Amino acid sequence: AQKVTQAQTEISVVEKEDVTLDCVYETRDTTYYLFWYKQPPSGELVFLIRRNSFDEQNEISGRYSWNFQKSTSSFNFTITASQVVDSAVYFCALLSGGGADGLTFGKGTHLIIQP
Amino acid sequence: GAVVSQHPSWVICKSGTSVKIECRSLDFQATTMFWYRQFPKQSLMLMATSNEGSKATYEQGVEKDKFLINHASLTLSTLTVTSAHPEDSSFYICSASYRGHVDIQYFGAGTRLSVL
Repeated sequence: AQKVTQAQTEISVVEKEDVTLDCVYETRDTTYYLFWYKQPPSGELVFLIRRNSFDEQNEISGRYSWNFQKSTSSFNFTITASQVVDSAVYFCALLSGGGADGLTFGKGTHLIIQP
Repeated sequence: GAVVSQHPSWVICKSGTSVKIECRSLDFQATTMFWYRQFPKQSLMLMATSNEGSKATYEQGVEKDKFLINHASLTLSTLTVTSAHPEDSSFYICSASYRGHVDIQYFGAGTRLSVL
């Protein structure tokens, strides 16, 4: 069975601070994919990153970076120099088992960036 | 990039009526479509998976007679909530992927259903 745990329900920081959102996953498959999505109040899911299980390289995209550690089954997301527009709910998700079962989402982390 | 259109974005209906939600892939052939449900302040939960031309596969606990899914063409899947009740009020989101690439899912903007 697949499982994604986002232990942080809500995080509140002041603008320009760095913030890390944690994600821990469980799967018995050796081939799987990990995702991060942003969900603003409008509800639409905004795709941020997709990473397959064979690629452990960390990735940086502007102020966003991701740290994939298979040894700890974690795929953490860091926002550097946070901005008010980063305020949203962020979901970590897992796709395994060939993808036939859709995405397994974590419960999400509500990120609040205060001006 | 690929676009998935979901319609309507918001619907209010009376208890006991049926509501149909459409999910269209605008520029690719969606061999597989997924339907998710999200209750307020909760995560997205997969309801069902549909492959073009075949019956949908429902997740445990999802009533297939209440949530009718049709994937009759490679660009359209519909979810019909039959005899809707207030507890069906939720945010419904579809996603679509094309053959051989279920690891890439394109999401619709979602439909907010409110049942009075």
